Amino acid sequence: SAVISQKPSRDICQRGTSLTIQCQVDSQVTMMFWYRQQPGQSLTLIATANQGSEATYESGFVIDKFPISRPNLTFSTLTVSNMSPEDSSIYLCSVWSGQGSYNEQFFGPGTRLTVL
Amino acid sequence: DAKTTQPNSMESNEEEPVHLPCNHSTISGTDYIHWYRQLPSQGPEYVIHGLTSNVNNRMASLAIAEDRKSSTLILHRATLRDAAVYYCILRDLYNTDKLIFGTGTRLQVFP
Repeated sequence: SAVISQKPSRDICQRGTSLTIQCQVDSQVTMMFWYRQQPGQSLTLIATANQGSEATYESGFVIDKFPISRPNLTFSTLTVSNMSPEDSSIYLCSVWSGQGSYNEQFFGPGTRLTVL
Repeated sequence: DAKTTQPNSMESNEEEPVHLPCNHSTISGTDYIHWYRQLPSQGPEYVIHGLTSNVNNRMASLAIAEDRKSSTLILHRATLRDAAVYYCILRDLYNTDKLIFGTGTRLQVFP
């Protein structure tokens, strides 16, 4: 299993500012994933973060808006830049744990962001 | 990514069995069928997954159709704590590490 913590748990920000969200895992993992969940919606994958390389972004998400750092195998940050009210969402990180076909994905508790 | 189709919502009474359906007619031979659920105000959690054979664990059972174009998540005795959004997701174990979430089924459980 994997235990994931995120900071902050929630924040209220002004438009035009940036917020950095931290994700800490209790074990070393190759890949970390960042998701966004807009109000009342399902989860949308933002990007995959590998240690030692640039993050891979999904269609509709760009590095300038959502820069990601992955300094080591247990930690990652996602920055939401130049925020607007449309960025109000829950942001979650996740990792795989287990071997081969027996692995499962574990999710952090999420960071609830409100942009005014 | 292969697509899944689930009903938007379902209802159940407490202590009754619940059968949550999922259609995945374009499933490929290497797609595993994963189920996750998201309780209110929490991140998603793993429920069960399988490839071809039916699977059981302490949380639920997964029944997979013989042609693999559909599956059913079975909660044997629903509790109030099982009220959540249930996501059926296909993952090609050999070609991707991503989980792509659909809209899921919101399960309501009544006392």
